[in-house]
Amino acid sequence: QQQVKQSPQSLIVQKGGISIINCAYENTAFDYFPWYQQFPGKGPALLIAIRPDVSEKKEGRFTISFNKSAKQFSLHIMDSQPGDSATYFCAASYEYSNSGYALNFGKGTSLLVTP
Amino acid sequence: DAGITQSPRHKVTETGTPVTLRCHQTENHRYMYWYRQDPGHGLRLIHYSYGVKDTDKGEVSDGYSVSRSKTEDFLLTLESATSSQTSVYFCAISEEGISPGLTYEQYFGPGTRLTVT
Repeated sequence: QQQVKQSPQSLIVQKGGISIINCAYENTAFDYFPWYQQFPGKGPALLIAIRPDVSEKKEGRFTISFNKSAKQFSLHIMDSQPGDSATYFCAASYEYSNSGYALNFGKGTSLLVTP
Repeated sequence: DAGITQSPRHKVTETGTPVTLRCHQTENHRYMYWYRQDPGHGLRLIHYSYGVKDTDKGEVSDGYSVSRSKTEDFLLTLESATSSQTSVYFCAISEEGISPGLTYEQYFGPGTRLTVT
């Protein structure tokens, strides 16, 4: 069962526009929420991450908005560029016993930014 | 790159044969993970390791085994490959996070594309 639900599955945005990708989760034990960017033929690359003690984190054109009460978080890409065209994955994680922090991924959003 | 290599990068094998994929890291990180990526499923955890000879199962571990005899190497074995194991396999690493901003960050390798015919 998917612990993190991501939408939309695909997104087309014009250059200069704002891309918004949403994720929702159920497990309140999650306490780390990263976003990954993946280009074809490459591994996912960590883009930006947030902990639930803050409601927003911004790094350059990328912003995570986090709503703890609604158990939702979203990625906003401002001034979207054709080079941002990639697949984006949200994820959630928590520490369990001694065995690490495995990530639970959403199914991904394919973003296309048109010139 | 986070100092992670995977080998082979591509492999075609026949149903019923054993296959071993290798993940090698140069970061001396404690935690290592194997994920598989399939269209419509995102990435799903197969097995993970929290130290040498310390491993545990993930979400989709059936048909897979792992071993970690050295910090730098984490092996994934498909004991008897099936067509349903055709996928792209990613290794990831993370350090034992104790500082804000470092905790939980996982870095992924370039992947191995496995086709089982």
